[in-house]
Amino acid sequence: EADIYQTPRYLVIGTGKKITLECSQTMGHDKMYWYQQDPGMELHLIHYSYGVNSTEKGDLSSESTVSRIRTEHFPLTLESARPSHTSQYLCASSAPGRSYEQYFGPGTRLTVT
Amino acid sequence: GESVGLHLPTLSVQEGDNSIINCAYSNSASDYFIWYKQESGKGPQFIIDIRSNMDKRQGQRVTVLLNKTVKHLSLQIAATQPGDSAVYFCAEKYSSASKIIFGSGTRLSIRP
Repeated sequence: EADIYQTPRYLVIGTGKKITLECSQTMGHDKMYWYQQDPGMELHLIHYSYGVNSTEKGDLSSESTVSRIRTEHFPLTLESARPSHTSQYLCASSAPGRSYEQYFGPGTRLTVT
Repeated sequence: GESVGLHLPTLSVQEGDNSIINCAYSNSASDYFIWYKQESGKGPQFIIDIRSNMDKRQGQRVTVLLNKTVKHLSLQIAATQPGDSAVYFCAEKYSSASKIIFGSGTRLSIRP
């Protein structure tokens, strides 16, 4: 069982609200990732980090932002939620030299009304 | 552009039979090809990987085959069990990248 945690698991929020999705891992992994996934569809990378104070945008354009102040923590923030942000958000991490083997959290299912 | 795609969106298999899930890729520069399993309500779970310089790799009840000539990847699951019910994603990693690109997934369902 992977030691990577996401909170909240489910979130229903109104349009215009600011939200932060939390992700933490206790494996000491250097790389962390955020993916967006609609039900039954492929995963789209929205942000990733090589390590502390390093963040990059992924392949899917996103209005979210991330930070990596501590190795174990990689929160994702939406400044102003919109219905188009409704989706599942998955956090993952990988060990040095093994970015092909990613460990995923359980996901946060976000609904914006 | 690069893409990783799957031939079939759903696959139904009798319990105890072998399952074969296929995937096509387009980027010849990928150095790793990977299979992930995602059960309902959970995040994806790494199953097995294969490096581009190999054509076959075996794990516990799973075998991955890589055919670089036709850019085709397959996952074989032996003696399929109810616990194998999930969506299976193939993915690829470029040699210089620390990220992977996922395909669209195949749902595997098991008939009792």
